[in-house]
Amino acid sequence: EAQVTQNPRYLITVTGKKLTVTCSQNMNHEYMSWYRQDPGLGLRQIYYSMNVEVTDKGDVPEGYKVSRKEKRNFPLILESPSPNQTSLYFCASSPLFAGGGTQYFGPGTRLLVL
Amino acid sequence: KQEVTQIPAALSVPEGENLVLNCSFTDSAIYNLQWFRQDPGKGLTSLLLIQSSQREQTSGRLNASLDKSSGRSTLYIAASQPGDSATYLCAVRPGGGYQKVTFGIGTKLQVIP
Repeated sequence: EAQVTQNPRYLITVTGKKLTVTCSQNMNHEYMSWYRQDPGLGLRQIYYSMNVEVTDKGDVPEGYKVSRKEKRNFPLILESPSPNQTSLYFCASSPLFAGGGTQYFGPGTRLLVL
Repeated sequence: KQEVTQIPAALSVPEGENLVLNCSFTDSAIYNLQWFRQDPGKGLTSLLLIQSSQREQTSGRLNASLDKSSGRSTLYIAASQPGDSATYLCAVRPGGGYQKVTFGIGTKLQVIP
């Protein structure tokens, strides 16, 4: 089954404790992206990657890191989480032909930073 | 900077009505526009993708149109059902190899039985 998976689905942590949210896709997509969703603000893009070792900032990259060492994986790293990073996070992937195809989304990771 | 607006923010209709959701964007230099639905507490499900060269796409009771020159897209839902209740989001993807995606905040739809 074609899918985007994220782990963990729920996470409670404390300020300053480094964490990683994993994202993996099995569709051989070039493009992967991370979003956060907050009430009243909608979905905002954090980082995206157009292929292995190629990443770029979205609209809200501060406080986040990403890496793309393999085509299927795109982990999101919070090196020193703060309460304002409490949010619902989504990973997505899509092919890149013709400027970009359908984006497929993971189920989301709900993060609470105390 | 691209801005995407969805109006109305919320909509309540009786079952069986046809309805239109709107999405407008400020920069017409887009490669495609995608409509999603999101159920409460869940992820996003893709509904329709319209490439910049297309005028509309259809899937079942859904029809999405795109007018790049006016910066607008509409999602038409025919014969609405209670199962259509969800938040509907549109997202635009720019052209020119610049792959930052911009979402609207969404329209929350309630279909009343």
